Amino acid sequence: SQKIEQNSEALNIQEGKTATLTCNYTNYSPAYLQWYRQDPGRGPVFLLLIRENEKEKRKERLKVTFDTTLKQSLFHITASQPADSATYLCARGVETGRRALTFGSGTRLQVQP
Amino acid sequence: DTAVSQTPKYLVTQMGNDKSIKCEQNLGHDTMYWYKQDSKKFLKIMFSYNNKELIINETVPNRFSPKSPDKAHLNLHINSLELGDSAVYFCASSVTSGGAYEQYFGPGTRLTVT
Repeated sequence: SQKIEQNSEALNIQEGKTATLTCNYTNYSPAYLQWYRQDPGRGPVFLLLIRENEKEKRKERLKVTFDTTLKQSLFHITASQPADSATYLCARGVETGRRALTFGSGTRLQVQP
Repeated sequence: DTAVSQTPKYLVTQMGNDKSIKCEQNLGHDTMYWYKQDSKKFLKIMFSYNNKELIINETVPNRFSPKSPDKAHLNLHINSLELGDSAVYFCASSVTSGGAYEQYFGPGTRLTVT
């Protein structure tokens, strides 16, 4: 089965620093990876999608990379703020065309003021 | 305007009871999902419907039965509730064009079975 692993359960950083979160996948490369943010008591919110043939994607202070050699995606938040504190989830398609996602267990980011 | 809504937000019930959770989306999406998030925060797909047709039915006890009366609604009915059913259930929806399906989630329904 296709797995998604987010090995860091929690990450604490100082405000202003860059947060880097890691997502590893097994077996074949997914056509795309997605990143979501989840706040306590709320549903996940879509942030970014990166396709297999894209090395990097940016959106404001967010950057995602996709390395098919390492089977890894990195999610960066630059100039982090306490408001960025949340759990970040990485996801891949269950199977091509099946339209559902397999999620990692998430990394809880805490940005200290 | 709420994009994906679920009711109720909290549901506390006893073992053996039957309960339903409702979901509605006003985004015009044609695919809807139910996910379960357990105490360890793993979010796992349960069902997926496309244009009212069931397209994914993961390994879920048949006590769980989804129903899609139209493209904007996907309800979840659970019979004979068990303690292990306690979790947060999320409804989601997506578009199907472009081959990549970013999903829009509802606020979740926290189900507690006592």
